[in-house]
Amino acid sequence: AQSVTQLGSHVSVSEGALVLLRCNYSSSVPPYLFWYVQYPNQGLQLLLKYTSAATLVKGINGFEAEFKKSETSFHLTKPSAHMSDAAEYFCAVGGGNKLTFGTGTQLKVEL
Amino acid sequence: EAGVAQSPRYKIIEKRQSVAFWCNPISGHATLYWYQQILGQGPKLLIQFQNNGVVDDSQLPKDRFSAERLKGVDSTLKIQPAKLEDSAVYLCASSLLGGMSTDTQYFGPGTRLTVL
Repeated sequence: AQSVTQLGSHVSVSEGALVLLRCNYSSSVPPYLFWYVQYPNQGLQLLLKYTSAATLVKGINGFEAEFKKSETSFHLTKPSAHMSDAAEYFCAVGGGNKLTFGTGTQLKVEL
Repeated sequence: EAGVAQSPRYKIIEKRQSVAFWCNPISGHATLYWYQQILGQGPKLLIQFQNNGVVDDSQLPKDRFSAERLKGVDSTLKIQPAKLEDSAVYLCASSLLGGMSTDTQYFGPGTRLTVL
């Protein structure tokens, strides 16, 4: 069975500060990993995905994530937070034709 | 390109009533998914269709939930009878290819169900 764990259900950063959202995965096979963002009252939107090519994956809106097999991690980062980044972020692992999502991290950006 | 459409956006019913949700995927997408997202949790897959066939319905509570995708395009998810614990957002998603785990899934805005 595959699973992901997102550390920290709520993260708060100042505008302009580094954003770091943590995700650890468990998988018996090489994983496919995804980060999705959900704005209030909207569906999920893909930020980026790792499919066993480059370990550093760049996504939309300035986000990137690095796959570290030794740490079973796929943390999401952005160098400088913007107010518009405030949303809920979900890490997911793909396998067996389906996605398994984490419980989400709510990102708050303060002035 | 139009996104995934869902209706209604909001629904309030009393327990033991029935309810239906509709989803129209992105044109040409072969695979359609229904997810349940309970407040404070990540989306959980209920059922996956490829064209008009069911690929995975292992987490669908079949005693009360049913879904169909006639003609391999739009889909309906039904709950009958509803329970309090069914209060959640029901998300529909679609993907272009044959449901491979590397596929990008495109999500609709969801239907927020409240069961009183």
